[in-house]
Amino acid sequence: EVHLAESGGGLVQPGGSLRVSCAASGFTFGDFWMTWVRQAPGKGLEWVATINQDGSEKKYVDSVKGRFTISRDFAKNSLYLQMNSLRVEDTAVFYCARVRGTFFSDYWGQGTLVTVSS
Amino acid sequence: QSVLTQPPSVSGAPGQRVTISCTGTSSNIGTIYNVHWYQHLPGRAPKLLIYDNTNRPSGVPDRFSGSRSGTSASLAITGLQAEDEADYYCQCFDTSLSGSVFGGGTKLTVL
Repeated sequence: EVHLAESGGGLVQPGGSLRVSCAASGFTFGDFWMTWVRQAPGKGLEWVATINQDGSEKKYVDSVKGRFTISRDFAKNSLYLQMNSLRVEDTAVFYCARVRGTFFSDYWGQGTLVTVSS
Repeated sequence: QSVLTQPPSVSGAPGQRVTISCTGTSSNIGTIYNVHWYQHLPGRAPKLLIYDNTNRPSGVPDRFSGSRSGTSASLAITGLQAEDEADYYCQCFDTSLSGSVFGGGTKLTVL
């Protein structure tokens, strides 16, 4: 059974850094693109970043370019999102998801909450 | 403001049919890229409902159906049930932004 579990969320001050992780199981991790999607309080879903199977191609939403880095570790079957220069508006629940075909996500984790506040 | 436009809310009585629209542009829905739909309950993981415009993943009831025409798409739910009360999102790849875009979400209320 496919399972995705995010971790690493928490409270961080504006300008600070945080790395959230996503542990994947139940499928061959290296065969799939993976993605991060977030939901700010009271707002809708927003795509954040996507990485291809071997990590050579990465895409980001404009608002996080230069601040966030998506990566993956095949030995640990894990996906990461390194977030630097965090802003109050980055406060959100961050979900990792497996990507299929024409960029839809068939499995999602439960999410991890990142709060940026002083 | 989201790239894909959805109505903020829709409602219907049990057993009725509702539709949720998703309007895009020539950079997303108007391209070769397909539209996908998700159901999201607060505090839960989003669930894939429809992929590639019209396809249902295994386990999704046939009460849910999708369609697409030009730069718009729609999700239809027939035989409304109380458990359908949730937020619904459309999604597509945008060639101008070189990334995925979501609609703003539609809250479905079952009266």
